[in-house]
Amino acid sequence: QKEVEQNSGPLSVPEGAIASLNCTYSDRGSQSFFWYRQYSGKSPELIMSIYSNGDKEDGRFTAQLNKASQYVSLLIRDSQPSDSATYLCAGGPGQAGTALIFGKGTTLSVSS
Amino acid sequence: DAGVIQSPRHEVTEMGQEVTLRCKPISGHDYLFWYRQTMMRGLELLIYFNNNVPIDDSGMPEDRFSAKMPNASFSTLKIQPSEPRDSAVYFCASSSGGTINGAGELFFGEGSRLTVL
Repeated sequence: QKEVEQNSGPLSVPEGAIASLNCTYSDRGSQSFFWYRQYSGKSPELIMSIYSNGDKEDGRFTAQLNKASQYVSLLIRDSQPSDSATYLCAGGPGQAGTALIFGKGTTLSVSS
Repeated sequence: DAGVIQSPRHEVTEMGQEVTLRCKPISGHDYLFWYRQTMMRGLELLIYFNNNVPIDDSGMPEDRFSAKMPNASFSTLKIQPSEPRDSAVYFCASSSGGTINGAGELFFGEGSRLTVL
């Protein structure tokens, strides 16, 4: 059973702080990983993708991947109240033609 | 582009009734996915298609669920008969399969919120 695990939270941080979201996955064959953000009552939207070990930065967001530890994380620097949402981690397929498996999501609350 | 279009946005029905959810993917995308989201189980993959062909339907919970994709621009998810435990938000998503592993970035529709009384 391929699984993606996340702490459900809520994770609460003050405005301006760094929010750290973590994810582990069971499928060693997974090659691609994604972080989706979902506001309450809305659909998920992609914010980061990462395919190689190490860090990938995009603005205030940094995704980190460690395939040996089967661990993915998302750091949000200078957190803003508008970052308050549920963050879904998704593991990509180990082979072409299969679908993403999503974790249940971590709810982030940024207080002003 | 208009994005992924789903209908209806909200559906309230009684147990035993047939429910049909509809999806129009983004033009040019060759993958279409149906997901179901609940608080308890999160976002679960039900079925997905590649070039209109069902590839994996192992997530379809029971024979009461069926999905079709008669052409590249339209898909349906049908529940017959519906039960209260089917209450959830059903998302359709499409992608172009552009990553090395084929799934690519998923573009989600706004979802269909189903309530079965």
